[in-house]
Amino acid sequence: DTAVSQTPKYLVTQMGNDKSIKCEQNLGHDTMYWYKQDSKKFLKIMFSYNNKELIINETVPNRFSPKSPDKAHLNLHINSLELGDSAVYFCASSQLAGGPFNEQFFGPGTRLTVL
Amino acid sequence: TQLLEQSPQFLSIQEGENLTVYCNSSSVFSSLQWYRQEPGEGPVLLVTVVTGGEVKKLKRLTFQFGDARKDSSLHITAAQPGDTGLYLCAGVNPDSWGKLQFGAGTQVVVTP
Repeated sequence: DTAVSQTPKYLVTQMGNDKSIKCEQNLGHDTMYWYKQDSKKFLKIMFSYNNKELIINETVPNRFSPKSPDKAHLNLHINSLELGDSAVYFCASSQLAGGPFNEQFFGPGTRLTVL
Repeated sequence: TQLLEQSPQFLSIQEGENLTVYCNSSSVFSSLQWYRQEPGEGPVLLVTVVTGGEVKKLKRLTFQFGDARKDSSLHITAAQPGDTGLYLCAGVNPDSWGKLQFGAGTQVVVTP
């Protein structure tokens, strides 16, 4: 039943490790996103894929690499984790990416804690 | 970068009172969206306003888009504890694939 799902829900890891977060949507949407929400609740877009093609790539360290094997999945791999990467990461999807009605459906988030 | 400023940052009121949250920018957006986020969950879309001057109502929530499409407000009448949450406005960037630019959010707490 879940529209946008993410795994894991919580991720606690040591500095320097590599980790991945997975996202899947069953809404049939063409566009998927990764957002980062910091401790002050500010939500900032990181990446967006439309039909497996990268369309938005904000100023994000290249330690972050998104991968979209198909339009229903968008994974985020993070290399050499740093303390500042601790945040909640949200996956989202939408159908109409290019227009004003860009209604986005968000997953439940992955809380990443880097020790 | 188009910046969206939300005010106030935090609002605590008693059940039955009214409240207004503001979202302001110096930039024009294609549309403006309002989301509500509850603890441990992702944001959920409440409304999208597209036309300058547009007013939309969702039960006790009234959303307004400024004439110049640079600002918006959310008014809640007779707030209830269920209205508690983080309210986020987000502007749709007309120049960048409909990219959403979020405000910093307004935390609303409604106590019984």
